[in-house]
Amino acid sequence: GDSVTQMEGPVTLSEEAFLTINCTYTATGYPSLFWYVQYPGEGLQLLLKATKADDKGSNKGFEATYRKETTSFHLEKGSVQVSDSAVYFCALRGNAGKSTFGDGTTLTVKP
Amino acid sequence: GAGVSQSPSNKVTEKGKDVELRCDPISGHTALYWYRQSLGQGLEFLIYFQGNSAPDKSGLPSDRFSAERTGGSVSTLTIQRTQQEDSAVYLCASSPGGLGEKLFFGSGTQLSVL
Repeated sequence: GDSVTQMEGPVTLSEEAFLTINCTYTATGYPSLFWYVQYPGEGLQLLLKATKADDKGSNKGFEATYRKETTSFHLEKGSVQVSDSAVYFCALRGNAGKSTFGDGTTLTVKP
Repeated sequence: GAGVSQSPSNKVTEKGKDVELRCDPISGHTALYWYRQSLGQGLEFLIYFQGNSAPDKSGLPSDRFSAERTGGSVSTLTIQRTQQEDSAVYLCASSPGGLGEKLFFGSGTQLSVL
């Protein structure tokens, strides 16, 4: 079945550092790919998405590119802020419509 | 309301009791999901409903867990004979049917089994 593997955490960075959180997937067909974020004390919300190969999703300075050849959807941000501290989940939505999530990566940004 | 509504927000129960968790999805959303999130863990898929199709129950951890969706709208997740390991946050999400559509999550039900 479908699966998502993302970089284990926790990740701790200083403010203005570069962020990469790796995500790879296994799925049949052509899934849509997503990054969701869960800020402390809040519910899960969409951060960005890409629905076909080579698409780049972007939001709030975060970017991720749908790479079909490497089955990856790595999350990047050039300069993180304290307010980016959260848990980040990579997810896919497969051909049957089912959504599968990775285990989440906890990011802490220190001033 | 405009969002996904879950009730109760917190449930404390004794081991061996049955519990029912409710989810009201966004009106018109054909897809509905239940996930479980244990402390410090990721999202564990439980069950997925899509329109009138047979639900995908592949994530239900045991036969003590069941879910139904009435009239293509409200869903109830039932856990029978609760165990301490069932303690977790149970999240419901709904979505329009398109594969590129995002999920809208409720705030969850925190279940504690004593």
